[in-house]
Amino acid sequence: SQQGEEDPQALSIQEGENATMNCSYKTSINNLQWYRQNSGRGLVHLILIRSNEREKHSGRLRVTLDTSKKSSSLLITASRAADTASYFCATAGSNDYKLSFGAGTTVTVRA
Amino acid sequence: NAGVTQTPKFQVLKTGQSMTLQCAQDMNHNSMYWYRQDPGMGLRLIYYSASEGTTDKGEVPNGYNVSRLNKREFSLRLESAAPSQTSVYFCASSETGHSYEQYFGPGTRLTVT
Repeated sequence: SQQGEEDPQALSIQEGENATMNCSYKTSINNLQWYRQNSGRGLVHLILIRSNEREKHSGRLRVTLDTSKKSSSLLITASRAADTASYFCATAGSNDYKLSFGAGTTVTVRA
Repeated sequence: NAGVTQTPKFQVLKTGQSMTLQCAQDMNHNSMYWYRQDPGMGLRLIYYSASEGTTDKGEVPNGYNVSRLNKREFSLRLESAAPSQTSVYFCASSETGHSYEQYFGPGTRLTVT
C-alpha cells in the first residue's frame, strides 16, 4: 500500500506565486524524497530530507519535515510555467530502503 | 551518459500475449526497480533487484517475472498479458542503501486489449 499521501491533489496558480503541497505518511522513515514528473516523462529527483533534518533548501525549493506529525511540505517559490508538473513524495522506511510513493499533486502554473 | 533507457516506448498487446520490457542503466548502480503507474495513483513497485544476481517481489508482483541479466540490465516479463496490466511501466536504478535517489527511465506505455 502507498505510504505517502499528497494534498492537494491538484493546484493551479499564477506565474510568480508560490506553490505549497503536503505529504503525510504512516510509518517511521529513514528519509523522504520529492520527485517531479513532467507530462509523459519519467520522474526526476528534486530533494531528499533525512528523518533527523527539519528543513532543506535547493534553489527555489524548500522542504520541511515534521516526524512527530508524520508530514512534509514542499514549497516552490516564484513559480514559472516550467514548474507545471506532477510532484510526488516518496518515503524510505527505517529498515527498508525501497521507496513508497504517494499519488502526487498536479501543479499547473498559468502564464 | 544515457542514464536509464527503456524499450519499447509503446506497445499494444492482445490478452494472453507475452512480452519483455527491457531496461538498462549506465551509472554502475547496484539496485534496479520496476514500477507501474496507473492514472491517479503514484508508482507501485512490481519487483526490485538490490544487486546483481538477486531479485525480490515488491507490492504488485502477480503476473510478472523479472531477470537481472547483469549489473546493467533488468528486464520485466509479462507471460500472459491481461487488460489489468494496461499501465505505464518505469524502470529505475540507484545505489543500494538509504539516502540514495532513484534515476528513472522514460517509461513504456503498455495497452492490453
